[in-house]
Amino acid sequence: AQRVTQPEKLLSVFKGAPVELKCNYSYSGSPELFWYVQYSRQRLQLLLRHISRESIKGFTADLNKGETSFHLKKPFAQEEDSAMYYCALKAGGTSYGKLTFGQGTILTVHP
Amino acid sequence: NAGVTQTPKFRILKIGQSMTLQCTQDMNHNYMYWYRQDPGMGLKLIYYSVGAGITDKGEVPNGYNVSRSTTEDFPLRLELAAPSQTSVYFCASSYPSASSYNEQFFGPGTRLTVL
Repeated sequence: AQRVTQPEKLLSVFKGAPVELKCNYSYSGSPELFWYVQYSRQRLQLLLRHISRESIKGFTADLNKGETSFHLKKPFAQEEDSAMYYCALKAGGTSYGKLTFGQGTILTVHP
Repeated sequence: NAGVTQTPKFRILKIGQSMTLQCTQDMNHNYMYWYRQDPGMGLKLIYYSVGAGITDKGEVPNGYNVSRSTTEDFPLRLELAAPSQTSVYFCASSYPSASSYNEQFFGPGTRLTVL
């Protein structure tokens, strides 16, 4: 069975500082990793996925299979980045799109 | 498109009562999911469906039932509500794809309290 761990429940940074939200996973196959975000009073939504190797809202995440990690990074945090962030894993093969979520990290960016 | 809609937004139940959480999507997605979100625990999959008439258990199915009579609707039934079912419930849907780009779209959630 797969598992996703986000070791930080809370993360606080100041505006303009770099931010890194950690995500580690355990899965024996070839996983697909995602970051979902939930802003205040908004729905949970996809932020980015590893297979796209994209930068969204200044955030990037690189899948490190050796360290089984998918950390989310942004060089200069903004106040509007304050939200709940979830790392999620989709198993390979016929998984019907099912996701395994981490515990979530609440990011607060102070002015 | 309204996307994924859920009703009700809030509900308080007494122990032993039953209720149905409604979920509807208008994106013609085959896949639908029910999650519960507990503080510090992330989202846990309760049930999922890959199409009308096809449902299967997720990680935490005990105390719940689902049905999928149409592509659009995926109601979640709670029988004999217990305090342990106090949670926020999210419905989601996605379109199956040969690639990995099956983003899940979430509803606004239903906050349920069992007293």
